[in-house]
Amino acid sequence: SQTIHQWPATLVQPVGSPLSLECTVEGTSNPNLYWYRQAAGRGLQLLFYSVGIGQISSEVPQNLSASRPQDRQFILSSKKLLLSDSGFYLCAWRPGGQGLNTIYFGEGSWLTVV
Amino acid sequence: AQSVAQPEDQVNVAEGNPLTVKCTYSVSGNPYLFWYVQYPNRGLQFLLKYITGDNLVKGSYGFEAEFNKSQTSFHLKKPSALVSDSALYFCASEGGTYKYIFGTGTRLKVLA
Repeated sequence: SQTIHQWPATLVQPVGSPLSLECTVEGTSNPNLYWYRQAAGRGLQLLFYSVGIGQISSEVPQNLSASRPQDRQFILSSKKLLLSDSGFYLCAWRPGGQGLNTIYFGEGSWLTVV
Repeated sequence: AQSVAQPEDQVNVAEGNPLTVKCTYSVSGNPYLFWYVQYPNRGLQFLLKYITGDNLVKGSYGFEAEFNKSQTSFHLKKPSALVSDSALYFCASEGGTYKYIFGTGTRLKVLA
């Protein structure tokens, strides 16, 4: 069966420091991968998605970037964090290719920028 | 543009009573619809989905959802609510372009 791992679970970082959140998926190949941010425990904002290695689509121009160095690895980064980057970050995956598929989420990473 | 709406920020229901969490959609083509649940400080968990076929879809934890094409709705239901059902519920649609559109979420509170 497929599993998704996301770490770290919590992170407290000072303003201006770098960020790296990692996500890996096991038990599947060529998944579509996603990064979402959830602010104030409510709505989900799609940040990035990827349909293959090195293929990143950005939904919202901002202080963050994403990379996919390996098929099942998705990394969210920032060179200099802002206070507004605080939030709950969720990695997600779905089987690749065309057709309807369910999207599955990791357990999330809490980021607090101080 | 495609959209999913959850008109209620919060729904309160007494334990043992039936519950309904509402969702309406506006999508082009065939609607592919999902429900997810989120417990505090956790990721979203998949409950059920509608692709085609029967309008009543059964999912995890005793939840079901009724698809109504004429009303463009996909309401989540459960015959008898449990206190442990208290959580944040999201309706979503898949637009066939690798993207998923989520509603703003409805907080369900089941009172003992």
